[in-house]
Amino acid sequence: DAGVTQSPTHLIKTRGQQVTLRCSPISGHKSVSWYQQVLGQGPQFIFQYYEKEERGRGNFPDRFSARQFPNYSSELNVNALLLGDSALYLCASLPRTGDPNTEAFFGQGTRLTVV
Amino acid sequence: AQSVTQLDSQVPVFEEAPVELRCNYSSSVSVYLFWYVQYPNQGLQLLLKYLSGSTLVKGINGFEAEFNKSQTSFHLRKPSVHISDTAEYFCAVNTNAGKSTFGDGTTLTVKP
Repeated sequence: DAGVTQSPTHLIKTRGQQVTLRCSPISGHKSVSWYQQVLGQGPQFIFQYYEKEERGRGNFPDRFSARQFPNYSSELNVNALLLGDSALYLCASLPRTGDPNTEAFFGQGTRLTVV
Repeated sequence: AQSVTQLDSQVPVFEEAPVELRCNYSSSVSVYLFWYVQYPNQGLQLLLKYLSGSTLVKGINGFEAEFNKSQTSFHLRKPSVHISDTAEYFCAVNTNAGKSTFGDGTTLTVKP
């Protein structure tokens, strides 16, 4: 079985540009969460989607947006990139939402560098 | 609101020695605590989780953690480490499935 797939693995963008990151969850999982991990820090929650609906949003500006498709894959979009957006972006796949016991399965991440 | 503090940013240890990585948390609701490991250029892998019941939780790769409600701690331990345990370790608390609050991580370096 395939795990969580994220693409691309690495990306370099210029300040002011826009970027789209992609995530395919584990087959049968219906929920995707996105995290930003800045170098030297722990991951910070950005969004959670379940059944194509946003179920949670972290403390990030409106430049960050996401969506989930009928096949449960997800995209994270960041507009007007800043140098501070340079980070590892992690996608987590979950079978469902609501139960804090539920284990999240993480992809290997997309390393975004803004220059 | 929930928060997690990992008390040591770096822990160097010799191979086959015991190790403890410390984690304190704060939460206004029931806690669900997790430890993850992150190897270089990889995502997070679950080591163990505390849900309820026994305060001593056993995980993969010989790791275990003890939940202490009075001290609001969830320290990770391993009696004998290997070179392959060198990695970044993160403590996290869940408020809901898929929404975790992480600590800033502890870099464990195992030396020969």
